[in-house]
Amino acid sequence: DIQMTQSPSTLSASVGDRVTITCRASQSVSLWLAWYQQKPGKAPKLLIYKASTLESGVPSRFSGSGSGTEFTLTISSLQPDDFATYYCQQYNSYSPTWTFGQGTKVEI
Amino acid sequence: QVQLVQSGAEVKKPGSSVKVSCKASGDSFTYYALTWVRQAPGQGLEWVGGIIPLIGTPNYGQNFKGRTTITADESTSTAYMELSSLKSDDTAVYYCATMVATAFDMWGPGTMVTVSS
Repeated sequence: DIQMTQSPSTLSASVGDRVTITCRASQSVSLWLAWYQQKPGKAPKLLIYKASTLESGVPSRFSGSGSGTEFTLTISSLQPDDFATYYCQQYNSYSPTWTFGQGTKVEI
Repeated sequence: QVQLVQSGAEVKKPGSSVKVSCKASGDSFTYYALTWVRQAPGQGLEWVGGIIPLIGTPNYGQNFKGRTTITADESTSTAYMELSSLKSDDTAVYYCATMVATAFDMWGPGTMVTVSS
């Protein structure tokens, strides 16, 4: 199975900060990488799919980049509503199976 | 766009089974891929398995093969996830979600399954 490693596990930031979260895959996943935001007690929300495509309705301060084994999620200017936990997710087309990273909590 | 409604919370004994439902409304059910994800208390997300109703053949995560059955009833636009031989480690919120371009775009509200003696 492909393993996904996110870093950092926790990130302390302030409103207005530029925030970057990294996700590394144990083997290439091409562009099959998605990012989700989750708030306590709520279902995850899709932010980015296919590594860099912004889901409809998601603010443009969110962006994704990368390919192969290394990916990043960037929030250009952190807003109060952005304090949450973020997960990456890969799709293995050979299996097919999906795997999530362990999550990054963005806190004040 | 589809909306997903899940069945209510369950409390089960170790060794028993649970069947969670996910009813889709608002759009054609047949062509959506439906997937299940779980989240244990305070933990991350774990993919359970998924199904494309039109095709009908499910696939499962490694940790769930052999004791998980995912099915879909096109006549009622409802997907089901049954987990057997329950252990305390299976205590979690179980989410259903639809899939687009290999990502999960629409999520149900989740169903809490508690396994306790």
